[in-house]
Amino acid sequence: GQNIDQPTEMTATEGAIVQINCTYQTSGFNGLFWYQQHAGEAPTFLSYNVLDGLEEKGRFSSFLSRSKGYSYLLLKELQMKDSASYLCAPTDSNYQLIWGAGTKLIIKP
Amino acid sequence: TAGITQAPTSQILAAGRSMTLRCTQDMRHNAMYWYRQDLGLGLRLIHYSNTAGTTGKGEVPDGYSVSRANTDDFPLTLASAVPSQTSVYFCASSDSGDLGSGELFFGEGSRLTVL
Repeated sequence: GQNIDQPTEMTATEGAIVQINCTYQTSGFNGLFWYQQHAGEAPTFLSYNVLDGLEEKGRFSSFLSRSKGYSYLLLKELQMKDSASYLCAPTDSNYQLIWGAGTKLIIKP
Repeated sequence: TAGITQAPTSQILAAGRSMTLRCTQDMRHNAMYWYRQDLGLGLRLIHYSNTAGTTGKGEVPDGYSVSRANTDDFPLTLASAVPSQTSVYFCASSDSGDLGSGELFFGEGSRLTVL
């Protein structure tokens, strides 16, 4: 079957660094997306990884290991506005996104 | 730029009634999707369309129907609503020809409560 596993909730301090992990099992694989979703709002695109390695985009970086079925999202210099849910979504052999339940990140001052 | 517009924003509906959630995009994207999002669960795909005139079933299509008469519009219809269809519904679009290989742009969501 297809399965996504990411922590339900994480807490971090403003200015710090946090890593949100995601492990997945899919029928085939065609890349992995990370989306950010603030409470009561729509998801917005953060990153897309299709090859192994680290993709850096400003304060956010995303890592992928296809052989391990593992990805993480790294957020640096945390700001209060980073309080949100972070959704991991690998794609299967049919290019369908398989969505995780998301990790709720709480930033404390 | 409007992007994707959904209507209504929220609705309370009596069980057994029909309802159409509207979705319009102005980005000329080929692919469009309807998802539902429930607490503690990931987004689940209801129906999709990879181009005008074609539609396909997603993970949870039962009780829902869609049409794609043109590029811009992708309405979702509940023929006879049931309480288990209480959810937040998101419409999304992508300019990628392959489903799921391009960035998704989401509407603001429609919160539906079926009593």
